[in-house]
Amino acid sequence: DAGITQSPRHKVTETGTPVTLRCHQTENHRYMYWYRQDPGHGLRLIHYSYGVKDTDKGEVSDGYSVSRSKTEDFLLTLESATSSQTSVYFCAIRRQGESAQGYTFGSGTRLTVV
Amino acid sequence: QQQVKQSPQSLIVQKGGISIINCAYENTAFDYFPWYQQFPGKGPALLIAIRPDVSEKKEGRFTISFNKSAKQFSLHIMDSQPGDSATYFCAASDNYGQNFVFGPGTRLSVLP
Repeated sequence: DAGITQSPRHKVTETGTPVTLRCHQTENHRYMYWYRQDPGHGLRLIHYSYGVKDTDKGEVSDGYSVSRSKTEDFLLTLESATSSQTSVYFCAIRRQGESAQGYTFGSGTRLTVV
Repeated sequence: QQQVKQSPQSLIVQKGGISIINCAYENTAFDYFPWYQQFPGKGPALLIAIRPDVSEKKEGRFTISFNKSAKQFSLHIMDSQPGDSATYFCAASDNYGQNFVFGPGTRLSVLP
């Protein structure tokens, strides 16, 4: 999807285990985002990054951490997964420019915590 | 705290009909209003967007109407097709797209 790859696409994990989701971009965009999507809630921002090692919290950041050691990679870690973190996770980059402003999303990671 | 409200939650339209989805916002600092389309198993994709200096923007069968005084904007899909069946999200941002806030989504089904 336009230079954004999320991995894994699907994951089932047990409660209490750590989980890391990866987002990789090939277009050198500065801004990257992690969202979760749940029925009735739409897309909610977890964390975002505005550069290497520059990150900030979003609306639903509790229980999540992120890291960005390279421009192209943005990692989302669930320190100790809980059932409430079962969701579809989307990574996004922000495009600039008059004709392309807005987010480009990856294809998502479906995470199930059992 | 929901900063962008969206209705209806779901919508069923006959082929050839007009689909209308409405959104309302509260933050007067918002200055960019995109709509995203999401098909099952895919990420949302930018469909069309508008800035508050115009009241309407049209791209093919898709039109955004914007009412700045009422703080409302809507998506109209003319001649709706079964291929338009998807979930639609409105969004808003300030500071020329710094961070976006999304509505809860509308699931559109277009019957053949």
